[in-house]
Amino acid sequence: AQSVTQLDSQVPVFEEAPVELRCNYSSSVSVYLFWYVQYPNQGLQLLLKYLSGSTLVKGINGFEAEFNKSQTSFHLRKPSVHISDTAEYFCAFTGGFKTIFGAGTRLFVKA
Amino acid sequence: EAQVTQNPRYLITVTGKKLTVTCSQNMNHEYMSWYRQDPGLGLRQIYYSMNVEVTDKGDVPEGYKVSRKEKRNFPLILESPSPNQTSLYFCASSPPGANYGYTFGSGTRLTVV
Repeated sequence: AQSVTQLDSQVPVFEEAPVELRCNYSSSVSVYLFWYVQYPNQGLQLLLKYLSGSTLVKGINGFEAEFNKSQTSFHLRKPSVHISDTAEYFCAFTGGFKTIFGAGTRLFVKA
Repeated sequence: EAQVTQNPRYLITVTGKKLTVTCSQNMNHEYMSWYRQDPGLGLRQIYYSMNVEVTDKGDVPEGYKVSRKEKRNFPLILESPSPNQTSLYFCASSPPGANYGYTFGSGTRLTVV
């Protein structure tokens, strides 16, 4: 069965520290991978995506993610977070006509 | 500005009273979809539409209806809402193809009492 697992439901981190949000997927077909961010009381917006080619992709707001096919992972990283990065982050993949989302990871950035 | 517009943003209704949540996009996207978001469950797809007059069920379609009479609009209809449909709903759109990613609306928070 196709699924997305976000390994941490909440991640607290201090401002200017690095952060990694973990995502694993399971699919029997080739997929495109995405990370979305949801700020409080807003819809989701696309942060970055992996389609093919280089396994390290860069997105908006200084985020990047690395695709690892052998580990079926697509972890999101930022070397130095800001208070404004506090939000919920969703990993997703699209295989065929279907997009499947993970349960989300709440990132809390503390001063 | 390219956007997906949902209305209303907040809605409180009573069990059994039919309601419609509207969704409109101004990007000429072929693909539109409805999701519900519940704590700990992420986003689950309710219905999607590949183009005008083409709709199909997602993972949780029970209790919902949709229509796609025009390319820009994709309303979500709850004929007889029940408390278990209390949720945060999102409409999303994209061009055809799996590689674009979605543009989401701002969400509709529905409470059924």
